[in-house]
Amino acid sequence: AQSVTQPDIHITVSEGASLELRCNYSYGATPYLFWYVQSPGQGLQLLLKYFSGDTLVQGIKGFEAEFKRSQSSFNLRKPSVHWSDAAEYFCAVGAGFGNEKLTFGTGTRLTIIP
Amino acid sequence: NAGVTQTPKFRVLKTGQSMTLLCAQDMNHEYMYWYRQDPGMGLRLIHYSVGEGTTAKGEVPDGYNVSRLKKQNFLLGLESAAPSQTSVYFCASRAGLLSTDTQYFGPGTRLTVL
Repeated sequence: AQSVTQPDIHITVSEGASLELRCNYSYGATPYLFWYVQSPGQGLQLLLKYFSGDTLVQGIKGFEAEFKRSQSSFNLRKPSVHWSDAAEYFCAVGAGFGNEKLTFGTGTRLTIIP
Repeated sequence: NAGVTQTPKFRVLKTGQSMTLLCAQDMNHEYMYWYRQDPGMGLRLIHYSVGEGTTAKGEVPDGYNVSRLKKQNFLLGLESAAPSQTSVYFCASRAGLLSTDTQYFGPGTRLTVL
């Protein structure tokens, strides 16, 4: 069965510093991969997704992620974080016939310090 | 265009009481989902539907029932609430026409069972 691991429960970054959030997946076939962001008290918003092609994917709010098949990873990056990036970030892998279901990681909470 | 809406936003129940959570989407999506979110566990799929009149079990279906009588609505029922069902519940919808379709999430319902 598919699974997603986000090894970092909580990360603290200074405003303006770079960010990398880790995501490792387990899936037998070519995965469909997603990053979602959840601001406090809100629902989940899609940041970016990968299905095929270019392994470096650009998303909203200046985020990007790189798919590395050899490492089974899909890490999220941002060159310079803003205070508004403080949120919880979830990595997910699509599964089931036609990618009908998502399996989520446990999330990484990002704190930004001034 | 409201997207995905959930009713109510907050609810407190006593053990053994019943309630129904309503999810509505105005995007004409085929697929709808119910998740629960618990600290440190990410989002876990309870039930989902691939079209009007259909339902299927997800990862954690016990204690919940669902119905999809209309395409735009997906109801989640708790027949006899238990403290273990204290959680934040999220609904999502997806067009379902392509395997690359994205899930769109509602704002969540915070349920406390005393």
